[in-house]
Amino acid sequence: DGGITQSPKYLFRKEGQNVTLSCEQNLNHDAMYWYRQDPGQGLRLIYYSQIVNDFQKGDIAEGYSVSREKKESFPLTVTSAQKNPTAFYLCASTTWGQTNEKLFFGSGTQLSVL
Amino acid sequence: AQSVTQPDIHITVSEGASLELRCNYSYGATPYLFWYVQSPGQGLQLLLKYFSGDTLVQGIKGFEAEFKRSQSSFNLRKPSVHWSDAAEYFCAVDGATNKLIFGTGTLLAVQP
Repeated sequence: DGGITQSPKYLFRKEGQNVTLSCEQNLNHDAMYWYRQDPGQGLRLIYYSQIVNDFQKGDIAEGYSVSREKKESFPLTVTSAQKNPTAFYLCASTTWGQTNEKLFFGSGTQLSVL
Repeated sequence: AQSVTQPDIHITVSEGASLELRCNYSYGATPYLFWYVQSPGQGLQLLLKYFSGDTLVQGIKGFEAEFKRSQSSFNLRKPSVHWSDAAEYFCAVDGATNKLIFGTGTLLAVQP
């Protein structure tokens, strides 16, 4: 079945540590997105990518980095510069240029600080 | 800049009662509008979307929404709520930027 897979489901970060969240899709979608979800704040866009080897900052990119070396994969690294990383992270994908098309979401990764 | 407001943080309804969740958007032209639902610890699932045509759109699970340009609103409705509808609901707007902007969500609780 086609879909988006995020791993791990739960992740813990120590002080000063970088951690990487995985996002893989087999939907042949061009565009991929990372959102951060905090209680009462909805979803906020971190980074997005339209095509391989290209990505743009969203509204809250500071302290995060991404890569898009393959169409299927869009990993997110939460760096030590992100001082408040505890949140639920959601990856999504869609066909680029089709703004009336829906986003497909993964099941999320809950990141917590030890 | 485009934005979305969901004025109700938390709503409780009785099972079988009708439901209306409010959504107001800010955008200069007609945006693309979406409603998503999220169960705890899960991703989001699309309920319905509007991008042109009939202002009353039907979605999955018996939901519908009406686009009202004069009020900049896109409220979600369901005539009879089921206990399984308890979840968080998000309204989202895309002003042709290929970036969805989400509201802060409305948490729906259903009383037996």
